[in-house]
Amino acid sequence: AQSVTQLDSQVAVFEEAPVELRCNYSSSVSVYLFWYVQYPNQGLQLLLKYLSGSTLVESINGFEAEFNKSQTSFHLRKPSVHISDTAEYFCAVTTPHGSSNTGKLIFGQGTTLQVKP
Amino acid sequence: DAGVTQSPTHLIKTRGQQVTLRCSPKSGHDTVSWYQQALGQGPQFIFQYYEEEERQRGNFPDRFSGHQFPNYSSELNVNALLLGDSALYLCASLGRGLGYGYTFGSGTRLTVV
Repeated sequence: AQSVTQLDSQVAVFEEAPVELRCNYSSSVSVYLFWYVQYPNQGLQLLLKYLSGSTLVESINGFEAEFNKSQTSFHLRKPSVHISDTAEYFCAVTTPHGSSNTGKLIFGQGTTLQVKP
Repeated sequence: DAGVTQSPTHLIKTRGQQVTLRCSPKSGHDTVSWYQQALGQGPQFIFQYYEEEERQRGNFPDRFSGHQFPNYSSELNVNALLLGDSALYLCASLGRGLGYGYTFGSGTRLTVV
């Protein structure tokens, strides 16, 4: 079985500061990894994903995450945050299901990111 | 292009009642999953439908059931509601493989009183 641990339940930083949200996973098989963001009273939006290939993946709004197989981690980073990045961030893992890549997502508990002015 | 549409957005039910939540997947998507997100928690997988059949199921009791229609839309039914069923219920759809990740709807907030 797979599991995801987000190491920080809350992170508070000042605007324009760098931030790292930590995610570790456990799995006995190969995994696909995701970061989702959830703004208040909204659903989840895909931020970025790792399926294969380059271990460093980037989003269009400046976030990046690096897949580290040896440390079973997929930490999310941004070099300079904005007030609008204040939200809940979820790390998720899935594995291939049968012959298709449609496995269920297993989520961490989430990290609340608060960006202060 | 509409994303995943869920209805209703909010719902208040009494213990013991039954509820039906609805989901229309993103255009071109044929796989629908349902998740329960309790307050302050990450989403928990309930089940997944593909080709009108339940393909995977999470650790939820039989009170939770679902259906997928030929147009790929889906319903989540919960019988004999408990206070602990109060949560945000999220629907997610997927096209061919994980290339674009799952697309989530905005959810239905269910409150059981």
